[in-house]
Amino acid sequence: DAKTTQPTSMDCAEGRAANLPCNHSTISGNEYVYWYRQIHSQGPQYIIHGLKNNETNEMASLIITEDRKSSTLILPHATLRDTAVYYCIAPDSNYQLIWGAGTKLIIKP
Amino acid sequence: KAGVTQTPRYLIKTRGQQVTLSCSPISGHRSVSWYQQTPGQGLQFLFEYFSETQRNKGNFPGRFSGRQFSNSRSEMNVSTLELGDSALYLCASSLDRVRETQYFGPGTRLLVL
Repeated sequence: DAKTTQPTSMDCAEGRAANLPCNHSTISGNEYVYWYRQIHSQGPQYIIHGLKNNETNEMASLIITEDRKSSTLILPHATLRDTAVYYCIAPDSNYQLIWGAGTKLIIKP
Repeated sequence: KAGVTQTPRYLIKTRGQQVTLSCSPISGHRSVSWYQQTPGQGLQFLFEYFSETQRNKGNFPGRFSGRQFSNSRSEMNVSTLELGDSALYLCASSLDRVRETQYFGPGTRLLVL
């Protein structure tokens, strides 16, 4: 079973910041949280991952709460091309990524 | 650096046939994982290979098998195809251990009639 829970869907206006929440209250202290996205019918694309500190790269920022029970992926200036399903994932004990249903993010013009 | 490639991209088979899908990982990556994605079940882990050995296996019947070659290329085989095997089959590679970031190929879309 997935160790993370996410809202089923979200909307965001083009040009605004998209904030995607994820709850992962059961992950252990040494498990990373990964974010991927999947644009329709393509392979998933890696976005970012983190352990306890906030992370930023050219695609997004990841804010992890101090208790590590939740995190938020931030797309600072969403474009129509960011419309996709976003997955927040934590690995199981065999280091396999367990995929949930993700959040369908729709960017509206 | 070239990304993960999968062949073929699309495939149509009939029930009872078998199929072999191929995956070439990113150069230097030694771990290859396979996933099945269907609308109802989402992304489900099939198996992972590292240095020609199956390291982890998901909860799929024995009709699903795979292998990895010395150059890290991997194949997966599905025998005695069933209608429910229609899916997008995704391959992902990572540098060393599976906990490293995984990079996905475009997938092979299999339709079983």
